Amino acid sequence: DAKTTQPPSMDCAEGRAANLPCNHSTISGNEYVYWYRQIHSQGPQYIIHGLKNNETNEMASLIITEDRKSSTLILPHATLRDTAVYYCIVRSPNYDKIIFGKGTRLHILP
Amino acid sequence: GAVVSQHPSWVICKSGTSVKIECRSLDFQATTMFWYRQFPKQSLMLMATSNEGSKATYEQGVEKDKFLINHASLTLSTLTVTSAHPEDSSFYICSATSRVNYEQYFGPGTRLTVT
Repeated sequence: DAKTTQPPSMDCAEGRAANLPCNHSTISGNEYVYWYRQIHSQGPQYIIHGLKNNETNEMASLIITEDRKSSTLILPHATLRDTAVYYCIVRSPNYDKIIFGKGTRLHILP
Repeated sequence: GAVVSQHPSWVICKSGTSVKIECRSLDFQATTMFWYRQFPKQSLMLMATSNEGSKATYEQGVEKDKFLINHASLTLSTLTVTSAHPEDSSFYICSATSRVNYEQYFGPGTRLTVT
């Protein structure tokens, strides 16, 4: 079973920051938080991952709480092309299989 | 970046026939490949884990005799849907774990329609 909980859907205005929350209260100390997204009829696309520290790349920022029980993915300037289902995943350090939860369907509003 | 391809991207077949889907890691060798199935408006469901040179490990509820997996090399895994039925119509996605950085990369998916 997936070890994360996400809201089923969210709306965000184009040009604004999209903040997608994820709860992973049972995460173990050596497990990573990964974010993927899936645009309609495509394979999942890697966005970002982290262990304890906040991370940023060209796509997004990942904020992980100090107790690691939750995290937030931030898309700084959402565009219509960011409309997708976003999956928050907890992954073990032995890089075992990835189990997907239900994700958050993000709608970017023009 | 690492690229995973799938072939075909879509296929239509008649009920009772078999269909083979290929998954290739194009620019890296994969320790492990995974096969997922996704029904409309649902999440990805892991079907099986495939390692080169060994038998695939199937998730609970997945019929191994119906979904045959062959992992012929470090860059190729195939999924054969045998005696396909309309309820097998789905989006099939593979992924591959790189031997270099152990990250998992996903293919673009194959849409199977059984008529």
